[in-house]
Amino acid sequence: DTAVSQTPKYLVTQMGNDKSIKCEQNLGHDTMYWYKQDSKKFLKIMFSYNNKELIINETVPNRFSPKSPDKAHLNLHINSLELGDSAVYFCASSNSFRVWPQISFHFGNGTRLTVT
Amino acid sequence: AQSVAQPEDQVNVAEGNPLTVKCTYSVSGNPYLFWYVQYPNRGLQFLLKYITGDNLVKGSYGFEAEFNKSQTSFHLKKPSALVSDSALYFCAGGPRDNQGGKLIFGQGTELSVKP
Repeated sequence: DTAVSQTPKYLVTQMGNDKSIKCEQNLGHDTMYWYKQDSKKFLKIMFSYNNKELIINETVPNRFSPKSPDKAHLNLHINSLELGDSAVYFCASSNSFRVWPQISFHFGNGTRLTVT
Repeated sequence: AQSVAQPEDQVNVAEGNPLTVKCTYSVSGNPYLFWYVQYPNRGLQFLLKYITGDNLVKGSYGFEAEFNKSQTSFHLKKPSALVSDSALYFCAGGPRDNQGGKLIFGQGTELSVKP
């Protein structure tokens, strides 16, 4: 069973559209994250949630809105897509961030978003 | 600003030779440091981490890394490279007073091991 699953795997859309990426984890983890990997492979955190509560919001444009309906899910909704949003988006989960650094991260396989 | 740097975009090694992937950090206090590996079209997989204690950390798949506080480095090493080690490697870190479990990643190093 996939521990952290993201859908879709690929997403091609036009500028100005609104799209969502879904993420689910079956590890019983309390904390979930979204990371963005740009075309140069650079990874940067966007958000983290702990038990449905927003913990980190890393100065991401407010066109990006995470939603956590329960602690096993963290979805990412993007409004008014721009060319610069093209990237690979990784969802991750971990046991509670409060036990840092005894923290075990698990990453999904990524969603490749292409905005044309 | 806190950062992690990987000075080499690519490292090429012949199979059977030792490999080193470099990482330096600028993170407040005594940071916690991690290495992850990414295979094509896959998420990151954990290799090893340094928290405290012995500066030489052993991890998965025969990899190890040495924490060097004076040089602010955490280089990844393996005594004998395999073709299957070819992948993208990320160094990451976080301060001791981490809020939210945030990892600060280096820019990644592409390791290519040739037969």
